[in-house]
Formats: sequence, structure tokens, C-alpha cells
Amino acid sequence: EAGVTQFPSHSVIEKGQTVTLRCDPISGHDNLYWYRRVMGKEIKFLLHFVKESKQDESGMPNNRFLAERTGGTYSTLKVQPAELEDSGVYFCASSVSGGGGAFFGQGTRLTVV
Amino acid sequence: DAKTTQPPSMDCAEGRAANLPCNHSTISGNEYVYWYRQIHSQGPQYIIHGLKNNETNEMASLIITEDRKSSTLILPHATLRDTAVYYCIVRVTGANSKLTFGKGITLSVRP
Repeated sequence: EAGVTQFPSHSVIEKGQTVTLRCDPISGHDNLYWYRRVMGKEIKFLLHFVKESKQDESGMPNNRFLAERTGGTYSTLKVQPAELEDSGVYFCASSVSGGGGAFFGQGTRLTVV
Repeated sequence: DAKTTQPPSMDCAEGRAANLPCNHSTISGNEYVYWYRQIHSQGPQYIIHGLKNNETNEMASLIITEDRKSSTLILPHATLRDTAVYYCIVRVTGANSKLTFGKGITLSVRP
């Protein structure tokens, strides 16, 4: 069974540009989460989808970040326009409903220069 | 979610058991204890979780005290590949619950 996959693994963009990160959860997992780790800081929650609905987006830093999960399958996280402080590693995780562990992808390392 | 307290670091010898402590004195009755680890810069890896009974799987054992205010993750035979940051997280299990990561404990397994 395939795990959580994220694309791209690395992205380097200039300040002001747009970047879209993609996450493919484990098949059948209704819950999809985005987290990020900024250099030297702890892993922080961004948002949570249940199927295609945003259950909790309390961790989204500002309106430059837009997450979607059309059809309740894969998800995208767009940053527009990117700022230097957006650099970090963005992790996606998925889980089944009702509890249990969430399984993480390998992350996308975003560098804004 | 309730807060957890972990020592910043510990080490153990390869082949020996690694016992990683965690305090969660304000845990609520409906909160589970979860353990994850992050090896280098990889994605966090789920290890185990439990409510009040001790749990064991192919990776580790989780011992939760009777009052549920603390727990210990046990890696029975630590290897060099177990060197990682281990996170103890308390979480209300359900569709609405996110994971709140703290600083974790850095486990160094020495040859």
C-alpha cells in the first residue's frame, strides 16, 4: 500500500512568486492534515480536511495560503505570493476517521529566496 | 490539547532498552497518549498510542501509569537507526483532533 506522497520534494522560488504543493493521502483516508516546520522551530499545524471540507484551518498563517481538496482525494497548498518567512518543510498527513495514528509524507522543502 | 513535558535529550547503548519518559499531568479522560518520532529531516513517523492500558506493537511498548499522568515509551533493543527526536503528544481521538508537537526528546543511540 502506498504511503502519503508529496510533490515536489524540494522547491526553490523567488519572493513574490507562487508555489503549489501537492499531497496524495493514503487511499481511503478521509482526514488530511497540513503541517510545516520553519527552521529552528517546532512542527506546527496548518489545517485539517475531512474529505473535501475544511474542518480546522486555525493554523493557516495568513491569506497568502490557500488549501484545497477537491473531490476529497488529493490536496494542494498554494502560497501566493511567497515571502521569505514561508521557507520551511511542509508536511502532509492522513488518517482514517475515528482515531488512530496519522501517517506523514516525507515533506516538501520550500526555500524562498 | 493538554501539554506534555519531556527531557530534552537522552542516550542509550545500542542493543539496550531505551526508556523515554513523558509527563502529562493535565491529561483529560478522553485524551490518548501518542508517540511519534522524526528521524533527521524525514516526515514524522507514528509509533504507538494508548488510553490507559499498556500497549505493544512491533516497534515499541507504551507504559501508562495508573493515574495517567505520565507514560514511558520503551524501545526494547535500540539500534543506531532509532536515533531521532521522539514526540509525546496527548490528543483527543476523533475526526477533529490535530497533533500538537512540542520540542520532543532527542534520543541518541551510541555504538
